Amino acid sequence: EVQLVQSGVEVKKPGESLKISCKGSGYSFNTHWIAWVRQMPGKGLEWMGIIYPDDSDTKYSPAFQGQVTISADKSISTAYLQWNTLKASDTAMYFCARRRDHRHDFWGQGTRVIVSS
Amino acid sequence: QSALTQPPSASGSRGQSVTISCTGTSSDVGGSHYVSWYQQYPGKAPKLMIYEVNKRPSGVPDRFSGSKSGNTASLTVSGLQPEDEADYYCSSYAGRNNFVFGTGTTVTV
Repeated sequence: EVQLVQSGVEVKKPGESLKISCKGSGYSFNTHWIAWVRQMPGKGLEWMGIIYPDDSDTKYSPAFQGQVTISADKSISTAYLQWNTLKASDTAMYFCARRRDHRHDFWGQGTRVIVSS
Repeated sequence: QSALTQPPSASGSRGQSVTISCTGTSSDVGGSHYVSWYQQYPGKAPKLMIYEVNKRPSGVPDRFSGSKSGNTASLTVSGLQPEDEADYYCSSYAGRNNFVFGTGTTVTV
């Protein structure tokens, strides 16, 4: 069974750093792209970027380029989304999703990030 | 790239049909065979309902169907059921390993 399990809720202050995770199982993690998707409170889905775990090839949406870092550790089947300096506007739910061909067929349960002073 | 345009809401009675549009450009919807649709309940992860314009993953009821004409894709839900009440998002491959989502539509039954 394909599963993507994400890390738990995070409560941070503006200016702090953060790294959230997405662990895959039940399939060949290294050879499937993993995407990250943001959903701000009460808003729609926004595609942030994608990584190929086998070689860490990464592509960012222009809106998120330079704002976050996507990485992966294929030895533990885990992808990451990282911020160096959080802002209140980073408050959102973040989903990881497996890309298969040109669709996102399996999704993680989401990680809620709250940034507040 | 800009989000694909969807109507904010759509509604229908139980047993009726509802169609949701998703309008993009020739750089995404119009130039791609790779339009997907996702269903999302509040507080839950999205679920793939349609891919490659009109294909259904295993387990998705055949009440859900997709189509595309020019720069606009559509999702039709026939024989509406109470459990179809959810948010629906379209998505298109936009080339060079980029994807874009629609603005989302809330379906009320």
